[in-house]
Amino acid sequence: GAVVSQHPSRVICKSGTSVKIECRSLDFQATTMFWYRQFPKQSLMLMATSNEGSKATYEQGVEKDKFLINHASLTLSTLTVTSAHPEDSSFYICSARDGTANQPQHFGDGTRLSIL
Amino acid sequence: AQSVTQPDIHITVSEGASLELRCNYSYGATPYLFWYVQSPGQGLQLLLKYFSGDTLVQGIKGFEAEFKRSQSSFNLRKPSVHWSDAAEYFCAVTNDYKLSFGAGTTVTVRA
Repeated sequence: GAVVSQHPSRVICKSGTSVKIECRSLDFQATTMFWYRQFPKQSLMLMATSNEGSKATYEQGVEKDKFLINHASLTLSTLTVTSAHPEDSSFYICSARDGTANQPQHFGDGTRLSIL
Repeated sequence: AQSVTQPDIHITVSEGASLELRCNYSYGATPYLFWYVQSPGQGLQLLLKYFSGDTLVQGIKGFEAEFKRSQSSFNLRKPSVHWSDAAEYFCAVTNDYKLSFGAGTTVTVRA
């Protein structure tokens, strides 16, 4: 149980393109979903937290107009990287949690974004 | 503020040998602690968690971890390592909805 599906697994696109990444909880309802960014050989950096039906909460230093997050249902959250540039190239990982605040987060397999 | 320290950046261990990964946390109240494993190019998989109760917790893939409040530690152990255990391991703590991760420990398994 507790499977999180993230799609696509890899994206290569030109600078200026907007890219959408989907995160789905397959067998549970995710009241909260999280978006992380991971640089090579580094730990995960939380970008934002989204609760179903409400606006996402962004971490300090994360541009909310650059990284649009939508959490329209209890099983789907999307991250859109708008007008992507090479510096946005990274590994993006989503996670989802059901129930109470201290339950484990379950992670997707990540999306490797490469902007040319 | 909560924080997690993983003192070992990289550990190399022989297949069949025991493994211990260190994790120290800083948090004022009783923490909720997790160990996750990440294979290259993949997301994170939960190995085990500690909320309360028995301080020795069993996880998947033969891993266990021991919570020691006096040492603010939550070290991960495995008695006999398999080549498939080569990966990045992250210790994490949460007190509300946010996870704070350690920097990670890379485990290399040699034949």
